[in-house]
Amino acid sequence: SAVISQKPSRDICQRGTSLTIQCQVDSQVTMMFWYRQQPGQSLTLIATANQGSEATYESGFVIDKFPISRPNLTFSTLTVSNMSPEDSSIYLCSVWTGPGYTFGSGTRLTVV
Amino acid sequence: AQKVTQAQTEISVVEKEDVTLDCVYETRDTTYYLFWYKQPPSGELVFLIRRNSFDEQNEISGRYSWNFQKSTSSFNFTITASQVVDSAVYFCALSGRYFGNEKLTFGTGTRLTIIP
Repeated sequence: SAVISQKPSRDICQRGTSLTIQCQVDSQVTMMFWYRQQPGQSLTLIATANQGSEATYESGFVIDKFPISRPNLTFSTLTVSNMSPEDSSIYLCSVWTGPGYTFGSGTRLTVV
Repeated sequence: AQKVTQAQTEISVVEKEDVTLDCVYETRDTTYYLFWYKQPPSGELVFLIRRNSFDEQNEISGRYSWNFQKSTSSFNFTITASQVVDSAVYFCALSGRYFGNEKLTFGTGTRLTIIP
């Protein structure tokens, strides 16, 4: 299965600022998925990113708040914009490489 | 819409006991895929198993076993002779027929604590 390098692993940010999270995959993949895991909660999909097209966002998530870049088949970024304490979560990227989905190690974001 | 229910929020057992984690799912798809993931305290998600809807055979991998019953829409996970290293949050998840190109729908997770 693929190996995903996700960074930063954690950050503490001031409200109103933005943070960009990067995911690098060691093989080419068609789709990359971005999830959010709020404290003590399950994982919720933010958006799906295809190379060469705009990301597809789930209900409740908008591009202005979570812009996504997918410049090639091995890399993607998720930006959390104009952050508030409610954005404090773990953010994970994921790809399919069989037999299951592989996840990055996560970015633990705390907004103060 | 797809839905995964893990009714057990937290379970604690003494080491070496057997424990079963329940998972019930809802989907309108006739072809779908079920997954179990482990999230240890370090936070990463570890893939454990994928089961296809057309294959109802149970599976065993070492101390782990999975019981898939389409009739009750359940995909339960049993750990035999539990160990402290099994302490983690376990998520059951569901994907439709286009797995690999569509999202996973996760249950709320079961936090398993193994008491030494």
